[in-house]
Amino acid sequence: ETGVTQTPRHLVMGMTNKKSLKCEQHLGHNAMYWYKQSAKKPLELMFVYNFKEQTENNSVPSRFSPECPNSSHLFLHLHTLQPEDSALYLCASSQSQQETYEQYFGPGTRLTVT
Amino acid sequence: QKEVEQNSGPLSVPEGAIASLNCTYSDRVSQSFFWYRQYSGKSPELIMSIYSNGDKEDGRFTAQLNKASQYVSLLIRDSQPSDSATYLCAVQNFNKFYFGSGTKLNVKP
Repeated sequence: ETGVTQTPRHLVMGMTNKKSLKCEQHLGHNAMYWYKQSAKKPLELMFVYNFKEQTENNSVPSRFSPECPNSSHLFLHLHTLQPEDSALYLCASSQSQQETYEQYFGPGTRLTVT
Repeated sequence: QKEVEQNSGPLSVPEGAIASLNCTYSDRVSQSFFWYRQYSGKSPELIMSIYSNGDKEDGRFTAQLNKASQYVSLLIRDSQPSDSATYLCAVQNFNKFYFGSGTKLNVKP
């Protein structure tokens, strides 16, 4: 798990809280991704950053706000979430978004919204 | 129509047998295809990637791609109980990445 790390691993937050998820990759990659994995659903791509620039936003509600200060770090800022936002949030990285490079995942943050 | 379709399973095979996992995709111009293994409570782990028609072997794993049929499969030879997991098929088309819902594999000792 040293390639892509995520903190915290578990998070419980109320609907009025503000929290942030952090992801760091140590693979020298240029693209980073946020995915949501809910029970019995496919992985849903949320955001893509390529060389620090956001290149994809798959109609994600504004209560999720990504930030990518450099190619190694990615954040997901959370505010006024809903119970249906409870899920496993996965960060991934790859060499490049545009090329056919494999994505490598972090361990994920298990989020529970109460 | 889903972008990537997989049988949810569970697929049960005895230890030592060959497990065959299948995946179909809808976008004909998809370029790259991946298989991930996900243990319960863990994140997906890349086990195979394949980019051209035919077979690709890596140890006990063989990925097969047929672009004309829009079909990709994963064979696991000499299945072990430790192979019990959910296997996710992923398809890439330029900047789009789609995952199937996964097939749960049970390898019985």
